[in-house]
Amino acid sequence: GAGVSQSPSNKVTEKGKDVELRCDPISGHTALYWYRQSLGQGLEFLIYFQGNSAPDKSGLPSDRFSAERTGGSVSTLTIQRTQQEDSAVYLCASSLVARGDEKLFFGSGTQLSVL
Amino acid sequence: QKEVEQNSGPLSVPEGAIASLNCTYSDRGSQSFFWYRQYSGKSPELIMSIYSNGDKEDGRFTAQLNKASQYVSLLIRDSQPSDSATYLCAVSGNTGKLIFGQGTTLQVKP
Repeated sequence: GAGVSQSPSNKVTEKGKDVELRCDPISGHTALYWYRQSLGQGLEFLIYFQGNSAPDKSGLPSDRFSAERTGGSVSTLTIQRTQQEDSAVYLCASSLVARGDEKLFFGSGTQLSVL
Repeated sequence: QKEVEQNSGPLSVPEGAIASLNCTYSDRGSQSFFWYRQYSGKSPELIMSIYSNGDKEDGRFTAQLNKASQYVSLLIRDSQPSDSATYLCAVSGNTGKLIFGQGTTLQVKP
């Protein structure tokens, strides 16, 4: 596809359930980011993948959060034992190469609601 | 101290005026600086990037960088109602990790 694709666009789950959010970046983009945005707030950095390097996981809020990127392309963000405070929009972005040209292209996001 | 700080606003300016948006950052080793615009309910989109001290102009937008003061700003000339949005400052260092500020909401009144 032409842009960053995220699925599902909306996810409603019950507290304590696990969820998986998917991101399909722009073909050829080596860098992939996950951010979280709560209502009326800025973007909270979660995790960053760059090529074959070890991911920067410094933004993951707890060990309930994990992410992987398979084959340098599709990424999955998993939240285990969801809590109500996990409710937010989860945004994925990709960029071509890295330093000096970090124009991020964002997906439309996944709106996660934990009841 | 937050890594990237912005005044959340809202900043209200009349149509045709200059809007001035400011951002400070804590990591003195930061090397790349960006302004993203986010309309309500939409994803952010890049409007300006700047890498060296001074001014960079693109149409009605001017980005200003002062690394000594750890300060980045965005000026929007001849502000239009369509400029009403949240403006996010983003900063990255040599690892490529991009950190965003909380954003400043701009309201341009006709």
